[in-house]
Amino acid sequence: GQQVMQIPQYQHVQEGEDFTTYCNSSTTLSNIQWYKQRPGGHPVFLIQLVKSGEVKKQKRLTFQFGEAKKNSSLHITATQTTDVGTYFCAGHQGKLIFGQGTTLQVKP
Amino acid sequence: GAVVSQHPSWVICKSGTSVKIECRSLDFQATTMFWYRQFPKQSLMLMATSNEGSKATYEQGVEKDKFLINHASLTLSTLTVTSAHPEDSSFYICSAEGTSGGDARQFFGPGTRLTVL
Repeated sequence: GQQVMQIPQYQHVQEGEDFTTYCNSSTTLSNIQWYKQRPGGHPVFLIQLVKSGEVKKQKRLTFQFGEAKKNSSLHITATQTTDVGTYFCAGHQGKLIFGQGTTLQVKP
Repeated sequence: GAVVSQHPSWVICKSGTSVKIECRSLDFQATTMFWYRQFPKQSLMLMATSNEGSKATYEQGVEKDKFLINHASLTLSTLTVTSAHPEDSSFYICSAEGTSGGDARQFFGPGTRLTVL
């Protein structure tokens, strides 16, 4: 069946360091979405990527969609303590399939 | 725009009772709504797709007789957990298909935390 694999599962960084999480799909996706979930909260939509090779930026966050529309990444430059949370990718192919999430801890 | 609400935000019930969770699209109509479940420290898992005026489509392994879904209007879908047991304790999140800025996608509700004693 359709799968979306996300790595790493956990990442601990020092404040100011960069952070990247990667997603890979077993099938070609129509689009990929990224969400952030704070502890005790619900997933909050960050962005949707639709086009092959698309790159979008939101301040310190850079999102990429692979040329084959099977993989994606989220890169955070110079992490801050407010970046703490779990980041999920979700691939869309008829329905949304969520990756396992990457939990980011930032040490001040 | 494209706001989805859920009610209640949390509920505690006794084992064996039934719990109904509501999902509403507040400022748009949604032909299709989705129900997800998230266990602690895990990802969101799609339970079922709810289509207005027709039967829901359940994912493999989800018991349709236990998780009753009703999508009677274009702004409301309900999920009823029947004869709830402690293993049903989870975070239930709904979403509704809509558009924002020209992009069609799912808009998620804030979730309902269910604890079954």
